[in-house]
Amino acid sequence: AQSVAQPEDQVNVAEGNPLTVKCTYSVSGNPYLFWYVQYPNRGLQFLLKYITGDNLVKGSYGFEAEFNKSQTSFHLKKPSALVSDSALYFCAVSPNQAGTALIFGKGTTLSVSS
Amino acid sequence: DTGVSQDPRHKITKRGQNVTFRCDPISEHNRLYWYRQTLGQGPEFLTYFQNEAQLEKSRLLSDRFSAERPKGSFSTLEIQRTEQGDSAMYLCASSPTGGGDTIYFGEGSWLTVV
Repeated sequence: AQSVAQPEDQVNVAEGNPLTVKCTYSVSGNPYLFWYVQYPNRGLQFLLKYITGDNLVKGSYGFEAEFNKSQTSFHLKKPSALVSDSALYFCAVSPNQAGTALIFGKGTTLSVSS
Repeated sequence: DTGVSQDPRHKITKRGQNVTFRCDPISEHNRLYWYRQTLGQGPEFLTYFQNEAQLEKSRLLSDRFSAERPKGSFSTLEIQRTEQGDSAMYLCASSPTGGGDTIYFGEGSWLTVV
């Protein structure tokens, strides 16, 4: 079955420190990979995506993610965390087929302390 | 505001009543998606449309759920004979086409069944 795993329910980091939110996937073929962020009682905001090309993808608000095909991972990173980055982060995958909707992980709560 | 618009944002209904949610996608986006999200979980795919055609339905979409996109623009999601287990946030999203296009989400419609 196709799936996305976010192994950490919560990640805690101090402001100014680097952060990593982990994501691994299990799909056939060459997937498209996405990260979204959700603030309380809000919808999902798109951060970045990997379709093809350079394994390091840069996105909104200083976030980036690295695609690793051999490890089937797509970890989200940021060099220096801000308190305002505290939110719920979702990794999602779309198998490389026209018409297949996104499959989401369960989400990781990021808490950045000042 | 040119984002995905959902209405109503919040709905409280008694068990057994019918409810309808409306979604207005980003203009000229051909694809429209419905997801459901419960507390502590990632969004779960319900169904999607390519223009007015409903191309895929999840097994989560029971017979009590129906979605339409009559003119290929806005969409409605109706839940008949609501049950307490239907309490969730219903997210609408749209994208230009499929494949690796970014999917943009609305703010969601919260449903509470009492």
